[in-house]
Amino acid sequence: QSVLTQPPSASGTPGQRVTISCSGSNSNIGSKTVNWYQQLPGTAPKLLIYGNNQRPSGVPDRFSGSKSGTSASLAISGLQSEDEADYSCAAWDDRLKGWVFGGGTKLTVL
Amino acid sequence: EVQLLESGGGLVQPGGSLRLSCSASGFTFSSYAMNWVRQAPGKGLEWVSGIDTSGTSTYYADSVKGRFTISRDNSKNTLFLQMNSLRAEDTALYYCAKWNRLTIFGVVTDWFDPWGQGTLVTVSS
Repeated sequence: QSVLTQPPSASGTPGQRVTISCSGSNSNIGSKTVNWYQQLPGTAPKLLIYGNNQRPSGVPDRFSGSKSGTSASLAISGLQSEDEADYSCAAWDDRLKGWVFGGGTKLTVL
Repeated sequence: EVQLLESGGGLVQPGGSLRLSCSASGFTFSSYAMNWVRQAPGKGLEWVSGIDTSGTSTYYADSVKGRFTISRDNSKNTLFLQMNSLRAEDTALYYCAKWNRLTIFGVVTDWFDPWGQGTLVTVSS
């Protein structure tokens, strides 16, 4: 049982826009910034979004992040086949004094 | 190029011990906090432990507290994870990750980047 809650799966067709939600509490998302990681099959996680909505250099602007209260979202527009991957949210938790992750969302491009 | 390379994984019996290493290059290792994150087969990411730049402050997930010890050798650009009293549920791919911090628009922002490729730990009799 992960501290941050994500849907286990999401899907879309090429060109579509999909969103992935991440729900937490006041001790994590509600008071800290959220990061998103992309994990392509068989590879290590890669930073996708940091600080709620900041994209590292090299990440396409098709990827965007937002946060409101104790929830965060990752949006992917213009979906491409290479976006098929697992996406995980993460934040520091002040109560647990450690990092917490979502369980991950497996994105399928139909 | 920033690189992290984990080693030390393997097969160990329940109750046994293992020491993981993470060799860092391409950045000033002593200026950055570091973390260990694991991923059990077919499961999501789970943060294991973190350590500050000097090694003075350490942080642990409840699931490993008292059994795992994180440490670092800044003279050798290496991060360690000593794992004792290993259990079957510790079986996972263990990643090390660089802990970055910036203040953006007055808000302290932390994130992990990059991650190593991982080293597999299997606890089984």
